[in-house]
Amino acid sequence: GQQLNQSPQSMFIQEGEDVSMNCTSSSIFNTWLWYKQDPGEGPVLLIALYKAGELTSNGRLTAQFGITRKDSFLNISASIPSDVGIYFCAGQNGNNRLAFGKGNQVVVIP
Amino acid sequence: DTAVSQTPKYLVTQMGNDKSIKCEQNLGHDTMYWYKQDSKKFLKIMFSYNNKELIINETVPNRFSPKSPDKAHLNLHINSLELGDSAVYFCASRRQGVTDTQYFGPGTRLTVL
Repeated sequence: GQQLNQSPQSMFIQEGEDVSMNCTSSSIFNTWLWYKQDPGEGPVLLIALYKAGELTSNGRLTAQFGITRKDSFLNISASIPSDVGIYFCAGQNGNNRLAFGKGNQVVVIP
Repeated sequence: DTAVSQTPKYLVTQMGNDKSIKCEQNLGHDTMYWYKQDSKKFLKIMFSYNNKELIINETVPNRFSPKSPDKAHLNLHINSLELGDSAVYFCASRRQGVTDTQYFGPGTRLTVL
């Protein structure tokens, strides 16, 4: 199946810092999604992007759908301790399938 | 109020046993999924049902059999459990349309001893 390259795979950041992560694919997607997974929980949708070039914010989170439709990035501004978790990107082509990245483990140091 | 719920949350069992995991969504969605998350946290789709009809069946051993009694429920039955089946299994659902994003359940952690 399709796989997405997500980087970095883990990051340790100081509270208050901004975080940036991205996701690339060799295939084009119609939809890009960013999820966050807390320990012991299921992934929770953070942001959904539906058009190439789209830039969407959700509180301190901002995500962009790349112009080529083969990449997306997620920024978290002014990180706080509860931002800790695994962030997944996912691409969807309207064929009922989501292809996931391998996740980025974020640790926020108070 | 839970949108996608799964039972049980934890399941510990011996090799060779048969077990089932249940999933229910109250979102009115048409499509439901089962995913497996391994120890490295990689999420891999297993099955998808749309309006009770199987539409995705990845390369999964036939010991795994999904069953959808109605479009709000998708259960997963596993026969002859093996050590390698230990993982977290997530159910998800989606309404087909413009905002066709998937919503995940809390997961079932299966441990096979």
